[in-house]
Amino acid sequence: QKEVEQDPGPLSVPEGAIVSLNCTYSNSAFQYFMWYRQYSRKGPELLMYTYSSGNKEDGRFTAQVDKSSKYISLFIRDSQPSDSATYLCAMSWVNSGGSNYKLTFGKGTLLTVNP
Amino acid sequence: EAQVTQNPRYLITVTGKKLTVTCSQNMNHEYMSWYRQDPGLGLRQIYYSMNVEVTDKGDVPEGYKVSRKEKRNFPLILESPSPNQTSLYFCASSLTGIWDEQFFGPGTRLTVL
Repeated sequence: QKEVEQDPGPLSVPEGAIVSLNCTYSNSAFQYFMWYRQYSRKGPELLMYTYSSGNKEDGRFTAQVDKSSKYISLFIRDSQPSDSATYLCAMSWVNSGGSNYKLTFGKGTLLTVNP
Repeated sequence: EAQVTQNPRYLITVTGKKLTVTCSQNMNHEYMSWYRQDPGLGLRQIYYSMNVEVTDKGDVPEGYKVSRKEKRNFPLILESPSPNQTSLYFCASSLTGIWDEQFFGPGTRLTVL
């Protein structure tokens, strides 16, 4: 079982739809959870970041973490054509020595929002 | 402008011909890393560096070398490239570590024939 699983899609929705993107993970030590957005032919850019269970909201975006189920989600409300991109979840952890510098990404979900 | 730059952006080479992809950041970041992105496999970490002269392996380090002699630069070296290293490569940097926002470069598309 891979450490981080993410449905690659593709996902196609009409403008204004609510989008739900999800990742599951197997490493219970993960404590930092991020969502990156990657436009075509560009490098990823950070969208949301959380390190605790629960919800975090930023405008039309909500990140949700459920550590008990090892499941994270990104919700996009009122989706726009400009949201069309690949969304990557990423996660990491700090070991008992206080150092771990690996970041593990999901494979990414390609989202298209149609006008 | 705060940024991570990579050069070259596109490279076609032949098997066995040593090459270096440069990465530079102007944000005084301590942490830098290299990733490769392949269809169906996503982004995978090759090497990372916590600071000058401190580097460590990521998940897919075979066939790659790195060095960190200056804080701003983190070159990726392929001593003897092979076709399975054909990929899209990204350099990233962050202030102190993986818990900070990673700033990615624009990517280098490498083809090894």
